[in-house]
Amino acid sequence: DAKTTQPPSMDCAEGRAANLPCNHSTISGNEYVYWYRQIHSQGPQYIIHGLKNNETNEMASLIITEDRKSSTLILPHATLRDTAVYYCIVIQTGANNLFFGTGTRLTVIP
Amino acid sequence: ETGVTQTPRHLVMGMTNKKSLKCEQHLGHNAMYWYKQSAKKPLELMFVYNFKEQTENNSVPSRFSPECPNSSHLFLHLHTLQPEDSALYLCASSQDPRASSYNSPLHFGNGTRLTVT
Repeated sequence: DAKTTQPPSMDCAEGRAANLPCNHSTISGNEYVYWYRQIHSQGPQYIIHGLKNNETNEMASLIITEDRKSSTLILPHATLRDTAVYYCIVIQTGANNLFFGTGTRLTVIP
Repeated sequence: ETGVTQTPRHLVMGMTNKKSLKCEQHLGHNAMYWYKQSAKKPLELMFVYNFKEQTENNSVPSRFSPECPNSSHLFLHLHTLQPEDSALYLCASSQDPRASSYNSPLHFGNGTRLTVT
């Protein structure tokens, strides 16, 4: 049972920032926000996760609103290889059951 | 290279056949997972193993039988499957989330594309 809502699809011009939104209005205090992506014909790949602070790594940045009811994944300079389905997932600390929703299909356009 | 290897990459089997899918990880993880991804549907969690013990069975039919002989290997034994079982079967591994203060990310293999004829 996915606890997140994402737009089904988005386009982004190559070289521009891709901002992927996620709504998780029922998130509870001990639940993390995780982002994965799945490139065609591959398994999902972990991108980033956070609890309440903004996070950044070599792949992306994660901005979580102060009330934690939504977040945005930012790919600062999208490339054609970033074309994929992006999944936003909320999961409780210590839980084993990672459930994926339908995600956002991001298409990076040359 | 994800650190999680699945074999075979493609499998075609008849409804009366018996086959097995194999997953291997050398990441030092102690939790392993099977997911099913059908066309146009979200990934479905099938089974979870922690330290070789099955901790989650998401109402999977008995024609799918998992086996986890050690923390590095996971199998999915298949018998008398139906055409609707055709899908991409994905294996993943992680550190046991019950053993830490946050959930270690899952590392996925590239899956086995199964076709049941």
